[in-house]
Amino acid sequence: EPEVTQTPSHQVTQMGQEVILRCVPISNHLYFYWYRQILGQKVEFLVSFYNNEISEKSEIFDDQFSVERPDGSNFTLKIRSTKLEDSAMYFCASSERGDLLAKNIQYFGAGTRLSVL
Amino acid sequence: AQKITQTQPGMFVQEKEAVTLDCTYDTSDQSYGLFWYKQPSSGEMIFLIYQGSYDEQNATEGRYSLNFQKARKSANLVISASQLGDSAMYFCAMRETDKLIFGTGTRLQVFP
Repeated sequence: EPEVTQTPSHQVTQMGQEVILRCVPISNHLYFYWYRQILGQKVEFLVSFYNNEISEKSEIFDDQFSVERPDGSNFTLKIRSTKLEDSAMYFCASSERGDLLAKNIQYFGAGTRLSVL
Repeated sequence: AQKITQTQPGMFVQEKEAVTLDCTYDTSDQSYGLFWYKQPSSGEMIFLIYQGSYDEQNATEGRYSLNFQKARKSANLVISASQLGDSAMYFCAMRETDKLIFGTGTRLQVFP
């Protein structure tokens, strides 16, 4: 069964360092997302991406964050200068369709746990 | 205002029994989608079931069913014949534009 793959599963970094979280979405999916979940809290939307452009982003997704689809398979989230409060589980998700009338199921990866020290 | 409300922080159920996890939502849209995801202790988010606002029948997927009451704006998840492996966090979510908005989750514990 196709799945969303995220690497690494756990990333430890020092405050102020740049990190890149990687995702390989399901191959025929066209819509990609990043969410985060601070420990013990609910899952929060960060950004959606379609046709090589950001289609929507949340207030959390400030100038320190960027996303990229560098080739036909990978989808990355970069945090330019990490802060302590960036420590969270980061989930990548993908969906086949994005329009509101469609049964748009977002399939999630297993997540990358980011620890900022 | 909360878009998705899950009022049960924790639920216990005995193996083989059925359990209902509550979810209410708030939207003024006519067309929307509701989802349930399971998050085991390993952390991944697993899609369970989907209900579209225009679907005439309640969604079912194996042991999972969704008790959709549109007038009450509720979309409760029913798990029948609970198994020990069902112990996990369960999140209700609603689609709004591109994104999913999640509730705070319910921790379900299944005991023998």
